[in-house]
Amino acid sequence: QTVVTQEPSFSVSPGGTITLTCGLRFGSVSTSDFPSWYQQTPGQAPHTLIYNTNSRSSGVPDRFSGSIVGNKAALTITGAQADDDSDYHCALYMGGGIWVFGGGTKVTVL
Amino acid sequence: QVQLQESGPGLVKPSQTLSLTCTVSGVSISRGSFQWDWIRQPAGKGLEWIGRTHISGDTYYNPSLKSRVTISVDTSKNQFSLKLTSVTAADTAIYYCVAERDAGNRYWGQGTLVTASS
Repeated sequence: QTVVTQEPSFSVSPGGTITLTCGLRFGSVSTSDFPSWYQQTPGQAPHTLIYNTNSRSSGVPDRFSGSIVGNKAALTITGAQADDDSDYHCALYMGGGIWVFGGGTKVTVL
Repeated sequence: QVQLQESGPGLVKPSQTLSLTCTVSGVSISRGSFQWDWIRQPAGKGLEWIGRTHISGDTYYNPSLKSRVTISVDTSKNQFSLKLTSVTAADTAIYYCVAERDAGNRYWGQGTLVTASS
């Protein structure tokens, strides 16, 4: 059973906007869970896009933004580009030093 | 800029111990600026947080792996390591060593594939 939930897949047209979510199977996500987001292209290591809910990692373009929407963490990509075609992973802090990742969302730009 | 490089055997026999080392450059582990994580990814699947350590001695493990995992630091070599005992085929994955700070801001090694097979 996956404790941290993500959409398995999403598609977006070039130039479009997409919002991915990261939820908890039981309960709501808040800033106290320090949601973070990582982008991974095939064959490569992940790299950090967003940490601590809405802080952009160094060098990440501002078309990537993080927030809390309703009871979930959200990653919004504005003006999608071809090289945004990737897997996106979220992670939540569970307390007691423990982190948990979601199953990842495969985004297709077409 | 912190850089990380995993090293260790790419093939481990079932029931034996998986041992990996991460060499850190660009920052001293002793400085205490980062937490040091191990994260793995089976082929075609999502990421799994294995555990972390800090120079303070605080160490935390994924509850599902806790009985088999040890993460330790060698400040003299600026390295940290992972040991996973009693491996099975389910432990076959790419293993990443990761530096983390600021609540989720992670710097990743390139990853190393470890296959558990006889």
